[in-house]
Amino acid sequence: AQSVTQPDIHITVSEGASLELRCNYSYGATPYLFWYVQSPGQGLQLLLKYFSGDTLVQGIKGFEAEFKRSQSSFNLRKPSVHWSDAAEYFCAVTYTGTASKLTFGTGTRLQVTL
Amino acid sequence: NAGVTQTPKFQVLKTGQSMTLQCAQDMNHEYMSWYRQDPGMGLRLIHYSVGAGITDQGEVPNGYNVSRSTTEDFPLRLLSAAPSQTSVYFCASRPPGQFTEAFFGQGTRLTVV
Repeated sequence: AQSVTQPDIHITVSEGASLELRCNYSYGATPYLFWYVQSPGQGLQLLLKYFSGDTLVQGIKGFEAEFKRSQSSFNLRKPSVHWSDAAEYFCAVTYTGTASKLTFGTGTRLQVTL
Repeated sequence: NAGVTQTPKFQVLKTGQSMTLQCAQDMNHEYMSWYRQDPGMGLRLIHYSVGAGITDQGEVPNGYNVSRSTTEDFPLRLLSAAPSQTSVYFCASRPPGQFTEAFFGQGTRLTVV
């Protein structure tokens, strides 16, 4: 079954520090990968997505993600975190043949200290 | 532009009661889905639909029914609520295709006592 794993439940970083959130997808057909962010009490918003091409993808709010097929990973990064980035981040995947089924990971809660 | 609208925002049910969570989208998206969000479990797919008249089960379908009579609406029914169904429920819609963005409603917080 298609799945994504987010190993880190909770991460705390200082404002201005760099950030990396991990995501691993289940190996199989070509994955279509997404990162979403959920601010407290809100729905989810798309940060970025990847299917093919350049393995480093730029998204909104200064986020980027790198696809590494050899590691089945799609990690989210930001060079300098702002206090407003505190939120929960979800990695998600679909595959060819299951396009309508978008599967999410368990999420990583980011806390930013001043 | 309303996007995806969920009603109600909050609901308290007694065990055994039934209710319907409403979801409507005005973007003419063919794909619609229901998720539940629980602490430490992320978003788990309950049911999804690829278009009017077509629905399928997700990871956690037990205790929930859906129907899709129109493109716009995708209601989720709890036939006999249980405390284990206490959760936050999100409806999402997407245009067809593997690489399309999902648009989410604001969620319904359901408590079953």
